[in-house]
Amino acid sequence: GENVEQHPSTLSVQEGDSAVIKCTYSDSASNYFPWYKQELGKRPQLIIDIRSNVGEKKDQRIAVTLNKTAKHFSLHITETQPEDSAVYFCAATRSGNEKLTFGTGTRLTIIP
Amino acid sequence: EAQVTQNPRYLITVTGKKLTVTCSQNMNHEYMSWYRQDPGLGLRQIYYSMNVEVTDKGDVPEGYKVSRKEKRNFPLILESPSPNQTSLYFCASSGTGGDTQYFGPGTRLTVL
Repeated sequence: GENVEQHPSTLSVQEGDSAVIKCTYSDSASNYFPWYKQELGKRPQLIIDIRSNVGEKKDQRIAVTLNKTAKHFSLHITETQPEDSAVYFCAATRSGNEKLTFGTGTRLTIIP
Repeated sequence: EAQVTQNPRYLITVTGKKLTVTCSQNMNHEYMSWYRQDPGLGLRQIYYSMNVEVTDKGDVPEGYKVSRKEKRNFPLILESPSPNQTSLYFCASSGTGGDTQYFGPGTRLTVL
């Protein structure tokens, strides 16, 4: 089955700087890679996703890149703000597949 | 309002006392899933369902049961809870596998 590794487990970044979280996956057939943000005490919510026919996707300050050959994908947050502090999860699955495998999460702290 | 609801939100019980956590969605989603979240382990899938009367095991199904008699409901049943099932549980739904999953608010379960 799919295995997703996520690094780092914790990340502290000065406000205004950029943050990068990296994930690797094992199943070369995986083709859908979402990122979820979970604020303290709340449910995970999708912030951005990418499919394998695209190498990069951007939404304002958030971007995701995908390297299918190396089987890794990354989340980039630029101009970080205090409200970006949260736990971020990457995940991987095949489209039409029911099993969504999550990474173990990255706790991002933005230092004012 | 499109949403996934779970009940109860908090539950403290004792070993061996059967319990059910309900999950309901009003988005006419085919796919529903249960996850448990534990520190350092991320979100692990317990069971999922592709449609009514179709369920399958996720990564950590031991000690849990599910049923999908109606499209909107996907209850999680613990026939004989044990302390190692103390966790935060999330239900999620999506239109199809490999699509955006919408999470419920979570149920914090403590088994004494």
